[in-house]
Amino acid sequence: TQLLEQSPQFLSIQEGENLTVYCNSSSVFSSLQWYRQEPGEGPVLLVTVVTGGEVKKLKRLTFQFGDARKDSSLHITAAQTGDTGLYLCAGASTGFQKLVFGTGTRLLVSP
Amino acid sequence: ETGVTQTPRHLVMGMTNKKSLKCEQHLGHNAMYWYKQSAKKPLELMFVYSLEERVENNSVPSRFSPECPNSSHLFLHLHTLQPEDSALYLCASSQVRGAARNYGYTFGSGTRLTVV
Repeated sequence: TQLLEQSPQFLSIQEGENLTVYCNSSSVFSSLQWYRQEPGEGPVLLVTVVTGGEVKKLKRLTFQFGDARKDSSLHITAAQTGDTGLYLCAGASTGFQKLVFGTGTRLLVSP
Repeated sequence: ETGVTQTPRHLVMGMTNKKSLKCEQHLGHNAMYWYKQSAKKPLELMFVYSLEERVENNSVPSRFSPECPNSSHLFLHLHTLQPEDSALYLCASSQVRGAARNYGYTFGSGTRLTVV
């Protein structure tokens, strides 16, 4: 069974702070995605990374895929209250049409 | 309408009731999914349909019965549920191409189900 462990589980910070969320597995994935979910809504795709070592930037968010394609990180610079939500990583394996989701990191950014 | 639409948004049902959840996607995707999201647990895959054919049933109890009449619609029929089935049920769709590399899901807003 493929498992994706995220850390930390919970993070409460002030506006303007930086943070990093980690997503780790013992399995290799062909691609890895990050989603953000707000209360009462479904997850929304933020980014897909497909190449080992790949780094993608989305405004203040930086995503990295590990060289061995087993782990990933999400770094947020100068967090804003609008970044509050549940962050989920999800891994896909070649030949499968399903994603395995991580355990989630709940982020609260206070003014 | 665009995206993935789920109805109803909220559902309260007794253990002897029969109800159905509906999902509709307007994205032209060729795969659809049902996931269960419970508190303190990762999203659990329940069913996968690709080109209207069920390709995965992830050891889900028979009291959950999916139906995919066409590539745009997905249903989850519920009967004789248990209180532990209370959760957020999410539908998603995606476009699966070639060697099935997954290009990301579009999720609906979910149905919050409470079994009493």
